Amino acid sequence: ILNVEQSPQSLHVQEGDSTNFTCSFPSSNFYALHWYRWETAKSPEALFVMTLNGDEKKKGRISATLNTKEGYSYLYIKGSQPEDSATYLCALRDNAGNMLTFGGGTRLMVKP
Amino acid sequence: EAGVAQSPRYKIIEKRQSVAFWCNPISGHATLYWYQQILGQGPKLLIQFQNNGVVDDSQLPKDRFSAERLKGVDSTLKIQPAKLEDSAVYLCASSRGAGETQYFGPGTRLLVL
Repeated sequence: ILNVEQSPQSLHVQEGDSTNFTCSFPSSNFYALHWYRWETAKSPEALFVMTLNGDEKKKGRISATLNTKEGYSYLYIKGSQPEDSATYLCALRDNAGNMLTFGGGTRLMVKP
Repeated sequence: EAGVAQSPRYKIIEKRQSVAFWCNPISGHATLYWYQQILGQGPKLLIQFQNNGVVDDSQLPKDRFSAERLKGVDSTLKIQPAKLEDSAVYLCASSRGAGETQYFGPGTRLLVL
């Protein structure tokens, strides 16, 4: 079973602040890394899938990077907005391609 | 296309009672997953179906949890009898095939008193 840790557990920022959080993993023995955004009372929404060391993905104000050699992925939000408030989940997909192992998530709250 | 549907959205029961959750995946998705998300933790896979067959149920507490996907479409997850520690959000997800992007439903929030 893959080990995935996320930090911080929670984060409060002001509207307009840029922020980032970390997903770390001790082993690079996985097929892909996924980022999901989960707003309260809604379905978790897929943000990014990354597979290669050095991958960078961007969607609007949100971007992510992957460093498999040092065992981390960063998620960046530029100019946070209240609608960005959600729990951000990182998950590793194993080499068999089936199982997702999730980290504990980072809960982001953006104050207007 | 319609997303993954789950019901009920919320359920409160007393310990030792039974409860069932229902999931309707995205049309055409062969693979269906049930996850348990306990407060403060990430979702944990309970069971994975490929059509109507079980692919992985290694983390399903089989003494009290059961799941089925008889016709390879809808699925139900049952807990019998429930314990306090079963309080969690139960998420259903589906994908076109194993290893492809998983799409999640809104979850069922279960509180066991």
